[in-house]
Amino acid sequence: GDSVTQMEGPVTLSEEAFLTINCTYTATGYPSLFWYVQYPGEGLQLLLKATKADDKGSNKGFEATYRKETTSFHLEKGSVQVSDSAVYFCALMVDSSYKLIFGSGTRLLVRP
Amino acid sequence: DTAVSQTPKYLVTQMGNDKSIKCEQNLGHDTMYWYKQDSKKFLKIMFSYNNKELIINETVPNRFSPKSPDKAHLNLHINSLELGDSAVYFCASSQDPGMSEKTQYFGPGTRLLVL
Repeated sequence: GDSVTQMEGPVTLSEEAFLTINCTYTATGYPSLFWYVQYPGEGLQLLLKATKADDKGSNKGFEATYRKETTSFHLEKGSVQVSDSAVYFCALMVDSSYKLIFGSGTRLLVRP
Repeated sequence: DTAVSQTPKYLVTQMGNDKSIKCEQNLGHDTMYWYKQDSKKFLKIMFSYNNKELIINETVPNRFSPKSPDKAHLNLHINSLELGDSAVYFCASSQDPGMSEKTQYFGPGTRLLVL
C-alpha cells in the first residue's frame, strides 16, 4: 500500500545550522507530496508542496524537491532558527484520493 | 477569520460517556475530513465526506459516527468512550481532490482525554 517513511527524531541543531529531514514514499499512483509543520500545542499548517516530478516547493526558507527516481521529498533549510522548533510531517496524496497519508513525524529542536 | 475551526479545544470525560466534536470551515470547500493523532504523534485519517456524502471510513469502530449537516460542517460523535480514544482529533477540509488544488487545511485540533 501507499506509505511515507521519515527519519526518526528528534533532530537537535544549533541556530543557523543546516537542516535536512529525509522523506521517502511508496505509492501505487502518481502522488502529490506535502510537508506540514505542527508547532507545540497547535494544529497542522501546510509548509510546502509539490505535485509533479522535479517540482520544488518552498516557503519560509524551507525547500523540498519531488524526486521520482529516488521516490523522495527531503526537507531542507539553510539556516534554522529557534522558532523552527516543531514537528514536521511528510505526507502524500495519490491522484484523486480523499486522504493524506502521513509519515510518523520528525521533531526538530533548535537551540540558541 | 479562522478557516477551519473546531470545538471544543479540550475535552476531558469519563469512560462510557458520549461526546461530540464540531467542525466548521468557511473556505467554501466540498470535502471535509477527520484525522486522529495518537500519543506518538502518528496521524491517520478516520473519515472523509464529499458534498455531505461519506467517501472514506478507515475501519473506525462503529462507536464513531460522523455527521455532515451541510458542506461547511462535519461533526464527530463518539459513543461509549474508551481509554484508547484519548488522542487529538483534527478536522480538515479541501477542494474536491479531483481538482488540481489538493491542499488540505487543518483545524487547531481537539484534545480528548478519557479517564
